[in-house]
Amino acid sequence: AQTVTQSQPEMSVQEAETVTLSCTYDTSESDYYLFWYKQPPSRQMILVIRQEAYKQQNATENRFSVNFQKAAKSFSLKISDSQLGDAAMYFCALKTGTASKLTFGTGTRLQVTL
Amino acid sequence: DAGITQSPRYKITETGRQVTLMCHQTWSHSYMFWYRQDLGHGLRLIYYSAAADITDKGEVPDGYVVSRSKTENFPLTLESATRSQTSVYFCASSVLEETQYFGPGTRLLVL
Repeated sequence: AQTVTQSQPEMSVQEAETVTLSCTYDTSESDYYLFWYKQPPSRQMILVIRQEAYKQQNATENRFSVNFQKAAKSFSLKISDSQLGDAAMYFCALKTGTASKLTFGTGTRLQVTL
Repeated sequence: DAGITQSPRYKITETGRQVTLMCHQTWSHSYMFWYRQDLGHGLRLIYYSAAADITDKGEVPDGYVVSRSKTENFPLTLESATRSQTSVYFCASSVLEETQYFGPGTRLLVL
């Protein structure tokens, strides 16, 4: 069985600053994918970034980047130059096996202040 | 490009009634999924389907039934709704090794 843990229920960041959201996971499989999804107040689940476990290079999407530490089973999300529109719930998710099933963490609510 | 849609978006029903939530995707993705989202639990997988006529249980399947006669549709039925099934339900789809894309969700209230 796999687990995903997000230990920060809530985080706050000032506009234009940088914030890091933490995620740890556990799986016995060697081939897996990690994701960060954003859920704004509209409730839509939006993909932020994805990381393949076999890739050593950390994924980056514009202002969003990850710090993937495979040995430590850690997958943190860094948001640079935070914007008001970044305020949302952020979910870390793990996909293992060929069925593409996702295991989600419990989420981190990010507040962006002026 | 409609993507993935869910209907209804909001539903109020009573305990014991049968409810069907619809999910439709236009991408011809092979895989489709149903999740429920509850406070403190994140999203949990109810059922998934690898292709038409192939379905399998997820983490929390009890009280739910699915079918997939066509690739693009994946309805979820609550045979006899209970208050514990009050939740937000998300449908998602993906190609085998690709990212899952989610529908807008259905908010269900069981009285």
